[in-house]
Amino acid sequence: GAVVSQHPSRVICKSGTSVKIECRSLDFQATTMFWYRQFPKQSLMLMATSNEGSKATYEQGVEKDKFLINHASLTLSTLTVTSAHPEDSSFYICSASPGQDQETQYFGPGTRLLVL
Amino acid sequence: SQQGEEDPQALSIQEGENATMNCSYKTSINNLQWYRQNSGRGLVHLILIRSNEREKHSGRLRVTLDTSKKSSSLLITASRAADTASYFCATPNRGTSYGKLTFGQGTILTVHP
Repeated sequence: GAVVSQHPSRVICKSGTSVKIECRSLDFQATTMFWYRQFPKQSLMLMATSNEGSKATYEQGVEKDKFLINHASLTLSTLTVTSAHPEDSSFYICSASPGQDQETQYFGPGTRLLVL
Repeated sequence: SQQGEEDPQALSIQEGENATMNCSYKTSINNLQWYRQNSGRGLVHLILIRSNEREKHSGRLRVTLDTSKKSSSLLITASRAADTASYFCATPNRGTSYGKLTFGQGTILTVHP
């Protein structure tokens, strides 16, 4: 099946710094990728839809200036958590589909962010 | 309440027993998907059932869908310790078959050897 990777898998940073997380589709092109956040023992919450070549679409309550998304190519989307704070500590997961009409999404392994 | 609510929140069984998890949703759907997540890992797609289907099988998995009750169930037969994970149902946006998903709260399944 299709493979989606994320890097880094785990990051620890100091409060106030910015952290970039990469999401790559390894064997297919994805015009759309999705970014989710998951707090411990909770479900996944969609943060934003990343669109190749255009601006991301953010879900209600998600600050676009806080979570910068760049979808510069058909295989790479990046999520930058700017001026991270301890409350941003979470598990960030991306997903993508091989085509816009594909029902199945493939998820990355996730990135564990810990802000001290 | 959120689209895609699941029960039970946690399920603990012995190896060899069957595990049943339920999911309810609120809006009309084109399909419903079940995912598995091992602790601290990404999600693995298990099975997708479309709105015109009532039951679907995949190995030891059996999924049912009742659109009149807006509910779905996932049955894992002859469970194994390796089935220990969190299981989520998810539905795409109303009126679509793909794209962004809304997840249920999940069921934490523990299978004791």
